[in-house]
Amino acid sequence: GAGVSQSPSNKVTEKGKDVELRCDPISGHTALYWYRQSLGQGLEFLIYFQGNSAPDKSGLPSDRFSAERTGGSVSTLTIQRTQQEDSAVYLCASSLYIREGETQYFGPGTRLLVL
Amino acid sequence: AQTVTQSQPEMSVQEAETVTLSCTYDTSENNYYLFWYKQPPSRQMILVIRQEAYKQQNATENRFSVNFQKAAKSFSLKISDSQLGDTAMYFCAFMKHPGNTPLVFGKGTRLSVIA
Repeated sequence: GAGVSQSPSNKVTEKGKDVELRCDPISGHTALYWYRQSLGQGLEFLIYFQGNSAPDKSGLPSDRFSAERTGGSVSTLTIQRTQQEDSAVYLCASSLYIREGETQYFGPGTRLLVL
Repeated sequence: AQTVTQSQPEMSVQEAETVTLSCTYDTSENNYYLFWYKQPPSRQMILVIRQEAYKQQNATENRFSVNFQKAAKSFSLKISDSQLGDTAMYFCAFMKHPGNTPLVFGKGTRLSVIA
């Protein structure tokens, strides 16, 4: 079946602009995660959605970052007033929530470059 | 907080040979889950193998196996009969129990398989 998809694949923006990154999880997966992969910091957790529960936003680096998940499916990560340090690959993952320790399946990521 | 350490930033191996990638982690938890993910140049993170901490038996998946030493908090990945397609970044990841929580990743090991 279809895997996790993300769009756009690449995004170049100017410092100070807002950007939106989209994630389509695997159908039926109720858990959705956003991670950031940067050269200096490795892979960092950003935010986590599970069903209708309040999202876990503990990994968001600043209030310029926000995310929503509409209808329990598609998610959008928004970065306002982008800074050069926001340049990174943003990865989305989804999983079932039937048993403990479900495997997370990743999308191909969005590479963001802030000039 | 949990931490994951991969002490080998880069490794290389001859095709058909065996290579072992190291991973250690720090946690006060007794139950948890461990994963190895592969990230080829395409950026797509792919699950290689997973291990539940409560299982004493080491997980195996075809040419991939782990050596899980719970007391030593060590989780190494052994790749047998290395193939050119195994060339990628390999990430060790930790998931705490209970639930399906965000992954904590190591910095990764870049593996090159040489013909």
